[in-house]
Amino acid sequence: AQSVTQPDIHITVSEGASLELRCNYSYGATPYLFWYVQSPGQGLQLLLKYFSGDTLVQGIKGFEAEFKRSQSSFNLRKPSVHWSDAAEYFCAVVPILTGGGNKLTFGTGTQLKVEL
Amino acid sequence: DSGVTQTPKHLITATGQRVTLRCSPRSGDLSVYWYQQSLDQGLQFLIQYYNGEERAKGNILERFSAQQFPDLHSELNLSSLELGDSALYFCASSVAMDNEQFFGPGTRLTVL
Repeated sequence: AQSVTQPDIHITVSEGASLELRCNYSYGATPYLFWYVQSPGQGLQLLLKYFSGDTLVQGIKGFEAEFKRSQSSFNLRKPSVHWSDAAEYFCAVVPILTGGGNKLTFGTGTQLKVEL
Repeated sequence: DSGVTQTPKHLITATGQRVTLRCSPRSGDLSVYWYQQSLDQGLQFLIQYYNGEERAKGNILERFSAQQFPDLHSELNLSSLELGDSALYFCASSVAMDNEQFFGPGTRLTVL
């Protein structure tokens, strides 16, 4: 079955430390890949996306993600976390289809806490 | 601000009632999506419209319906509401079928 897995429900890091959030997907072919962030009481903001090409993609707020086809992974990274990065992070995929819709399938999310 | 607007921001109603959630996509976006976010189900896709036509359907209950109007705004109608329908309902829009989706701030529905 097609699925998106975020194995870490909660992660706590110290401000200034590096961050890596994991995401694995299970699809027949490489889908489009996304990371979204949701701050408390807010909507979802797109951090970055991967459609094709360079497997290291840069996003907003200093985030980057690396697509690894062999591992079916699309992990999100940030070299130095700021207290304002505390939020919930969602990995999402869209199967590459012709015709039809392009619904996002989300992982269960990783709640990031930043210690000062 | 994504440019996607949703009204109302909060909605409190009783079981058995019917409500309508409204979404205005970003200027120029033809595709509108509805998602439900609840504690037990997470973020789930409900339905997609593209230029007025239904394009994809997810786990949308028969009590729920949606439409996209000629001016491209969309409405999600929820009827015979149950306690379990309490959730955050997001609308998203994209330019075309295979572009990134931009989300609105959501409508928080509370069914008492």
